[in-house]
Amino acid sequence: AQSVTQPDIHITVSEGASLELRCNYSYGATPYLFWYVQSPGQGLQLLLKYFSGDTLVQGIKGFEAEFKRSQSSFNLRKPSVHWSDAAEYFCAVGAGGSYIPTFGRGTSLIVHP
Amino acid sequence: DADVTQTPRNRITKTGKRIMLECSQTKGHDRMYWYRQDPGLGLQLIYYSFDVKDINKGEISDGYSVSRQAQAKFSLSLESAIPNQTALYFCATSEGTSNQPQHFGDGTRLSIL
Repeated sequence: AQSVTQPDIHITVSEGASLELRCNYSYGATPYLFWYVQSPGQGLQLLLKYFSGDTLVQGIKGFEAEFKRSQSSFNLRKPSVHWSDAAEYFCAVGAGGSYIPTFGRGTSLIVHP
Repeated sequence: DADVTQTPRNRITKTGKRIMLECSQTKGHDRMYWYRQDPGLGLQLIYYSFDVKDINKGEISDGYSVSRQAQAKFSLSLESAIPNQTALYFCATSEGTSNQPQHFGDGTRLSIL
């Protein structure tokens, strides 16, 4: 079965600084990979997804993620963080017959002014 | 109006009660999902449905049941609620043949005393 690990429970950055959120997955083949964002009091929103092809994936809100097979990673990046990016971020991996995502435990992003 | 609407938004009830959480969507999507979110644990899949006649168990279906009354409606029931079912519940949909939830409701916060 697939699994996903987000090593950082909390990340604090200053507004305008760059951001990288880590995600590692476990699966024997190439899985489908996703990043979601959850703002307080709301449901999740899909930021980006990787199925195949170009390993650098562009998403909404200026986010990108890079699939690295050798490291079993799919880290999320943003060059300049805005205060509105403060939220919970979930990495997810879809594999097996249905490819329905299994979610990581999330990383809480705190943005200082 | 929201594309995916969950009712109620908040519910407090007692152990042993039967509870139904409702989800309706205006996206016209065939595929719908119920997830449970606990602090620090990410989202866990309870049930999913790929069309009106299709119901599938997820990772944590024990103690839960669902009904897909129409394309637009997918209800989650707790037949006899217990305190460890206290959590935030999300309904989601996905378009076409995608198995990855893309549109989430704002959640139902359920407390069982």
